Amino acid sequence: GAGVSQSPSNKVTEKGKDVELRCDPISGHTALYWYRQSLGQGLEFLIYFQGNSAPDKSGLPSDRFSAERTGGSVSTLTIQRTQQEDSAVYLCASSLVFSLVDEQYFGPGTRLTVT
Amino acid sequence: AQSVTQLGSHVSVSEGALVLLRCNYSSSVPPYLFWYVQYPNQGLQLLLKYTSAATLVKGINGFEAEFKKSETSFHLTKPSAHMSDAAEYFCAVSSPIQGAQKLVFGQGTRLTINP
Repeated sequence: GAGVSQSPSNKVTEKGKDVELRCDPISGHTALYWYRQSLGQGLEFLIYFQGNSAPDKSGLPSDRFSAERTGGSVSTLTIQRTQQEDSAVYLCASSLVFSLVDEQYFGPGTRLTVT
Repeated sequence: AQSVTQLGSHVSVSEGALVLLRCNYSSSVPPYLFWYVQYPNQGLQLLLKYTSAATLVKGINGFEAEFKKSETSFHLTKPSAHMSDAAEYFCAVSSPIQGAQKLVFGQGTRLTINP
């Protein structure tokens, strides 16, 4: 079946602009995760969703970052007033259930470049 | 807090040689440990996971890893490297957040295979 998809695959934006990154998880997966992959920080966890709820937002780097999930499916990560340090690959993952051992399936990522 | 250290950001081996990628973890509770692989311009794919069952874990593509509590290690090995193994490899430990699986990643090891 279809895997996790993300759009756009690449995004170049000017400093100060807002961007929206989209994630379509595998159908039926209840858990959804956002990670950021950058040269300086490696892979870091940002936020997870249980259904449409995000119980823990402490991983978001600043209040310019927000995320939502609607209908237990698609999720959007929004970055307001982008800064150059936001440049990174943003990865989305989903898993069938909430479990410490359930495999997370990753999408190909969105490469964000802030100029 | 849980953390992972991968020794060696770059490893180069000859085709047919042993692959050894090192991972040490820090965790105050029994950990779940994972190895993921990332091929160029693709998302992460699970190679194998340790979930407190057998300490020697076999994964896809001929990879295996051994959990050694006394050494706090979870090194990844493959007896004979293949050109298709060239990729970046990430070790990760799970950190429970309200029952969900938050992955804490190491910095990654880029594996190069020489013909």
